[in-house]
Amino acid sequence: AQKITQTQPGMFVQEKEAVTLDCTYDTSDPSYGLFWYKQPSSGEMIFLIYQGSYDQQNATEGRYSLNFQKARKSANLVISASQLGDSAMYFCGLYNFNKFYFGSGTKLNVKP
Amino acid sequence: GAVVSQHPSWVICKSGTSVKIECRSLDFQATTMFWYRQFPKQSLMLMATSNEGSKATYEQGVEKDKFLINHASLTLSTLTVTSAHPEDSSFYICSARGRDRVRQETQYFGPGTRLLVL
Repeated sequence: AQKITQTQPGMFVQEKEAVTLDCTYDTSDPSYGLFWYKQPSSGEMIFLIYQGSYDQQNATEGRYSLNFQKARKSANLVISASQLGDSAMYFCGLYNFNKFYFGSGTKLNVKP
Repeated sequence: GAVVSQHPSWVICKSGTSVKIECRSLDFQATTMFWYRQFPKQSLMLMATSNEGSKATYEQGVEKDKFLINHASLTLSTLTVTSAHPEDSSFYICSARGRDRVRQETQYFGPGTRLLVL
């Protein structure tokens, strides 16, 4: 069975500081993909970053980086230099067998 | 690129009526489209997966006759909530996975449709 776990229902970070959002997953398939999406209060899901299970290097997209530790089955999202606009819900996702599974989400609040 | 639209963004209807929600991939061909439902402060729940030209695959617990999905073309999928009831009130989000120039593993989401059944 596939499973995504986000253990932090809510997080606070000071503006301009870095923050790590945790995500662990469970899958028996060697081929999978990991995602992070941002959902602001408007409801839209915004794609942030993708990591393939066979990718050798950690994915980076601007201020977002994914700390992929395959042996630990973790795919934490690191946001550097937080901005007020980063305040939103963040969902970690697993792609496997043409299906996507999402974690319960982490609500990030960036304080000025 | 990789834009997905949904229409309508808001719908309010009376109990017993049917509501159709459209999901369109505007600048790419969507080989697969997904329909999700999200309750307040909860994660997305996958309802069904639809591939162009074939029947949708529904997740366990989702009523096929209640939530009709049609994926008639590579750019359009529709979700019809039949005989809607207040408990069907929710946020419905579609997503599309494409081919060619978009990353095939990534799904691109529409802006969502808020349904309120009175």
